[in-house]
Amino acid sequence: EVQLVESGGGLVQPGGSLRVSCVASGFSFSTYWMHWVRLVPGKGLEWVSRVETDGTGASYADSVKGRFIISRDNAKNTLLLQMHSLRVEDTAVYYCVRAIGDISPLDYWGQGTLVTVSS
Amino acid sequence: DVQLTQSPSSLSASVGDRVTINCRASRDISGYLNWYQQRPGKAPKLLIYATSNLHSGVPSRFSGTVSETGYTLTINTLQLEDVATYYCQQSDTTPWTFGHGTKVEI
Repeated sequence: EVQLVESGGGLVQPGGSLRVSCVASGFSFSTYWMHWVRLVPGKGLEWVSRVETDGTGASYADSVKGRFIISRDNAKNTLLLQMHSLRVEDTAVYYCVRAIGDISPLDYWGQGTLVTVSS
Repeated sequence: DVQLTQSPSSLSASVGDRVTINCRASRDISGYLNWYQQRPGKAPKLLIYATSNLHSGVPSRFSGTVSETGYTLTINTLQLEDVATYYCQQSDTTPWTFGHGTKVEI
């Protein structure tokens, strides 16, 4: 069974940093592209970032570029999102999601971890 | 960025009704249009990929099509468990983008 389990969410002050993690199981993690997508309260889903299978290629939404870093450890089946200079508008549930390739759909989602940015 | 205009933003229907949700892209996305269902308090689930392909395990009452007016998700014979917000999403070009969602109520 495919499982994606996020952790690391919490309350952080504006300007602070946070790292969220995702542990994958039930599939060959190293062969999938991995994404972070967030559900912004009252606004809907927003794609955040993705990383290629070997971790060498990454893309970001303009809203997080220069502040967030996506990475992966295929030996530990783990996906990471390091978030810096957090803003109130980054408040969201962050989902770890897999896709088989570049133009492929997001076929399995984790349950999400809530990040709240507030003073 | 590719803009996806989804309509309606919400709808109310009865069990057994046929429901249609539309999604129009700001430019050609070569059919790389996917649909997701998000039930209240749950993670999104993939329903339809590449315009019209049903994801594994998704009931056959869900279908996707494309026409001159855009992409359409149809739910035939609406069920109670279909109460959810539905999103379209394009995977043709980075940054990937989502429609704003359609909330379906019964």
